[in-house]
Order: sequence, then C-alpha cells, then structure tokens
Amino acid sequence: QTVVTQEPSFSVSPGGSVTLTCGLNSGSVSTFYYPSWYQQTPGQAPRILIYNTNTRSSGVPDRFSGSILGNKAALTITGAQPYDESDYYCGLFMGSGIWVFGGGTKLTVL
Amino acid sequence: QITLKESGPTLVKPTQTLTLTCTFSGFSLSTSGVGVGWIRQPPGKALEWLAVIYWNDDKRYSPSLKSRLAITKDTSRNQVVLEMTSMDPLDSATYFCAHNIFTTTTSGFHHWGLGTLVTVSS
Repeated sequence: QTVVTQEPSFSVSPGGSVTLTCGLNSGSVSTFYYPSWYQQTPGQAPRILIYNTNTRSSGVPDRFSGSILGNKAALTITGAQPYDESDYYCGLFMGSGIWVFGGGTKLTVL
Repeated sequence: QITLKESGPTLVKPTQTLTLTCTFSGFSLSTSGVGVGWIRQPPGKALEWLAVIYWNDDKRYSPSLKSRLAITKDTSRNQVVLEMTSMDPLDSATYFCAHNIFTTTTSGFHHWGLGTLVTVSS
C-alpha cells in the first residue's frame, strides 16, 4: 500500500523560513509523480498552492516554492506570516492513474 | 469562474449506499485533460482521495475503496455522481469534489467545492 509521508507538525517564527517534505514509504518522489501542495485552514476547502513540483498556482505569493529535495518533494515558505498557519497537504499522481494525499503537516507560526 | 458544489444526504444509515452529486460550472468535462475528483476528510483527519473521472470517461479509484465506489458523469448537465456502497460510521466525513487537470503542463486539483458533511449513523 502506498503511503505518502509528511511531518505531522512544524513550527516557524514569523518572518522565518520552513521546508515541509513529502515522501513515499517505498521509493523516492520525483517530478514524475507531479507533486502538488494544498493549504487548508479549519472549516475551509483546500486551496492549491503548487503543482507540477514547482509551479505556483495563480495568485499564490512567491513566498511559497516547491522543489525536489533528495528523495522527497518539498514546500518551502520564506518570510512566514501569521496567516500562513494552516494544514498543508501534498498530493502525488501515481503511475496507475490514481492520486494519493499525504497525512498533512500542521504548521504553527509563532 | 470555476465553481463546484456538492449535494447529497447529510445522514445515512450503516449498510446504505451514499449518492453524492457534484454540480459544476466554468469548465467542460468534454475538454481534453479535464477531470472531476472526489476527496473526503473525516473530522480532524487528513484528506483521502477517492476517485476521479476524466473527459474521456476514464475512471480511477482508490485501491482500498475500489469495490465500494462508482463514479459517473453527465456532461450535458455538468454533473458528476459518486456512489459509495456499504456505508459505515468510519465513512463519516466531509466529501469534496474538485476540478482536476492532467495535461503535459498542468496537473492537480485546482478548484474545490465547499464540501458536504456526511454522517453515518443508525
């Protein structure tokens, strides 16, 4: 069974930088998995931030960037703002045409 | 402007079949590369991808739920329907539908409905 792994929680100071990662229980994440990143605040629907590994969705500030770091997909937030405090999910497109989401990372900005 | 809206029962009994409808606007499900997916989220838990249907009627399901799911589309009515059989209290969740694109330059779930909360209880 495919499991997408994310840090359960992370904390960053206002103005600081943080990198969240997205891995696979078996194997490495590459661009061929078309990693995407979603931000979700309580009671709201997710919002796409990044797709195709490193392309920002329309209207997403350039403080958010995506990449592959080692064997994982990564979402980096630079100059974190208090309103960046959210849950962040990565999504991967598997070769069989299915999608899988990670368990999410709860980001605290304080 | 792309919008999606989920509709269906808020309460279903165990063993019953859940039928959810996603009604969308601002795009066509006959356009190459376009799909509509369903994702759910139990209270306080993570997103779980369920199924997707593409413009060419290609359908994909979560392997763990494949035997219980059926996704169909009505392109003329701009609707996608998801059926889930044998509902269990563990299936209680907010169910989202989302606009999906998969082309050479774009992928992912770019627009989401607000979600509909489904509770499974007798």
